[in-house]
Amino acid sequence: TQLLEQSPQFLSIQEGENLTVYCNSSSVFSSLQWYRQEPGEGPVLLVTVVTGGEVKKLKRLTFQFGDARKDSSLHITAAQPGDTGLYLCAGAGGTSYGKLTFGQGTILTVHP
Amino acid sequence: NAGVMQNPRHLVRRRGQEARLRCSPMKGHSHVYWYRQLPEEGLKFMVYLQKENIIDESGMPKERFSAEFPKEGPSILRIQQVVRGDSAAYFCASSPQKGTNTEAFFGQGTRLTVV
Repeated sequence: TQLLEQSPQFLSIQEGENLTVYCNSSSVFSSLQWYRQEPGEGPVLLVTVVTGGEVKKLKRLTFQFGDARKDSSLHITAAQPGDTGLYLCAGAGGTSYGKLTFGQGTILTVHP
Repeated sequence: NAGVMQNPRHLVRRRGQEARLRCSPMKGHSHVYWYRQLPEEGLKFMVYLQKENIIDESGMPKERFSAEFPKEGPSILRIQQVVRGDSAAYFCASSPQKGTNTEAFFGQGTRLTVV
């Protein structure tokens, strides 16, 4: 069974601060996806990383896939209140063909 | 370009009744996945379907739960004789092709409440 450990579970910061969310596993994933979920809505895909060591940037968000494809991180620079939400990492591939293994999620609150 | 459509958005059922959740994938997508999100928990995979085929149902409870994706029409997740523990948000996702690097796009979910 593949597991993804996501940390921290809760993050409360002030506007303008930087933050990093981590996803770690003992399993190798062929790709890893980051989602953001608003209350009462479904997860919305932010990015997919596929290659070990890959770094992708989306405005103030930087996503990295570990060299061994077992871990990933999401870094937000100069957080804004609009970044508030639930962030989820999800791994695909390996023996879990066709399905995603989700982390527990990080609830981010950015205070103005 | 409509996304993944789920209905109903909210469903209330009494214990013992049946719940039917519908999912229409994005246009051009032939693969459907169902996930369940319990309160205070992450999303858990339930079942993966292609048209008229169940590919992987390793996350489905052994009893009372079933899923189908007919040749025509939406995918259906059916829960028979619902119990309070079935109360959760059920999400459907779809992808366009076979493969381990396919991106899944989620619907807005059906929130099931069993009273």
